[in-house]
Amino acid sequence: EDKVVQSPLSLVVHEGDTVTLNCSYEVTNFRSLLWYKQEKKAPTFLFMLTSSGIEKKSGRLSSILDKKELFSILNITATQTGDSAVYLCAGAYNNNDMRFGAGTRLTVKP
Amino acid sequence: NAGVMQNPRHLVRRRGQEARLRCSPMKGHSHVYWYRQLPEEGLKFMVYLQKENIIDESGMPKERFSAEFPKEGPSILRIQQVVRGDSAAYFCASSPRTVQETQYFGPGTRLLVL
Repeated sequence: EDKVVQSPLSLVVHEGDTVTLNCSYEVTNFRSLLWYKQEKKAPTFLFMLTSSGIEKKSGRLSSILDKKELFSILNITATQTGDSAVYLCAGAYNNNDMRFGAGTRLTVKP
Repeated sequence: NAGVMQNPRHLVRRRGQEARLRCSPMKGHSHVYWYRQLPEEGLKFMVYLQKENIIDESGMPKERFSAEFPKEGPSILRIQQVVRGDSAAYFCASSPRTVQETQYFGPGTRLLVL
């Protein structure tokens, strides 16, 4: 059965800390792995990863995929209170089907 | 504890027919959210429901689309007189109480309109 597992489920840090969020997947006909940030309504897209070992960066956020070990990490450096959110990982497979993980709730304290 | 369940997983309709998508939230969850994912786009919020109440339908098209979450049974997203542009993946999520709580996503229903 296809599944996506995220860890930790919740995380509390202080501003300036660096955090690493984990996502492992077991998805048949895997195509890509996506990271989203969800604060209020719809999750906002962060990264799509299709190739192993190639880091994607956007400001203080970066992510990498390991297709051999079937996992991805999302790093956030110098965290700010505005980074507080739920971070969702999703495995895309077949023809744009997606399977979401349960999310990691990040709380950044001042 | 079973996760969020959606059915059918795949639905094919001809233009003008009706599509009914069902979402059973996780046990103990009383809040349901519907999202639409268009090809090559992100998730777009459609509607947020609590049992027997629509809390926020600001993302729902004004015509042909409706949603309900009855006291008993699953939440239903209904699309009347479907058009080709309705073809998309529709995801449902549930949370225990409020929109600030973590939402758990279902596997989605892929709608194809011929």
